[in-house]
Amino acid sequence: NAGVTQTPKFQVLKTGQSMTLQCAQDMNHEYMSWYRQDPGMGLRLIHYSVGAGITDQGEVPNGYNVSRSTTEDFPLRLLSAAPSQTSVYFCASSYQTGRGETQYFGPGTRLLVL
Amino acid sequence: GENVEQHPSTLSVQEGDSAVIKCTYSDSASNYFPWYKQELGKRPQLIIDIRSNVGEKKDQRIAVTLNKTAKHFSLHITETQPEDSAVYFCAAKEYGGGNEKLTFGTGTRLTIIP
Repeated sequence: NAGVTQTPKFQVLKTGQSMTLQCAQDMNHEYMSWYRQDPGMGLRLIHYSVGAGITDQGEVPNGYNVSRSTTEDFPLRLLSAAPSQTSVYFCASSYQTGRGETQYFGPGTRLLVL
Repeated sequence: GENVEQHPSTLSVQEGDSAVIKCTYSDSASNYFPWYKQELGKRPQLIIDIRSNVGEKKDQRIAVTLNKTAKHFSLHITETQPEDSAVYFCAAKEYGGGNEKLTFGTGTRLTIIP
């Protein structure tokens, strides 16, 4: 299994540009999430999905869109990039057992907005 | 929503000594508390978790304790080794309650001094 994969690994954008960060998982997990990680602020939830066709907002959703048309894929779209969106983005997928949840993170996408 | 505070933000410990990281949460409905370890340049990985029906859980040199009344939980690492150097994140969630948001603390950078 490849686990959770993310592309690209690194991206530079100009202010106002749009782009899509790709995320895929091959573990048949129902739950998928997008986080951004900024120095001193931990991991903040952007959007999440509990299954194909179902998405919801996290803590910092503004400026981002998501969709979940298949179980495997959960792309994150930046509508009009701003310097404040410079960050490292992690996608994660998880499954729940009766005792808890194991969340698997992708390798991350480092985004720089100029 | 849930708010998780984590202390200290940095911690230096002599090799072989113990390290303790503490987190507090605000939402009494939270009942699932995972800990993640993130090595430099890598993705976060789950190292241990605890549910609210358990007061303590151990896995070799790592243990987590939970005080539901005070709404705080702690990570204990004994006999620290150089490979324990990393950033550690606590998190909280209302597992099984329909709210699928996992809220993270801001992280603790642990440095093991040889």
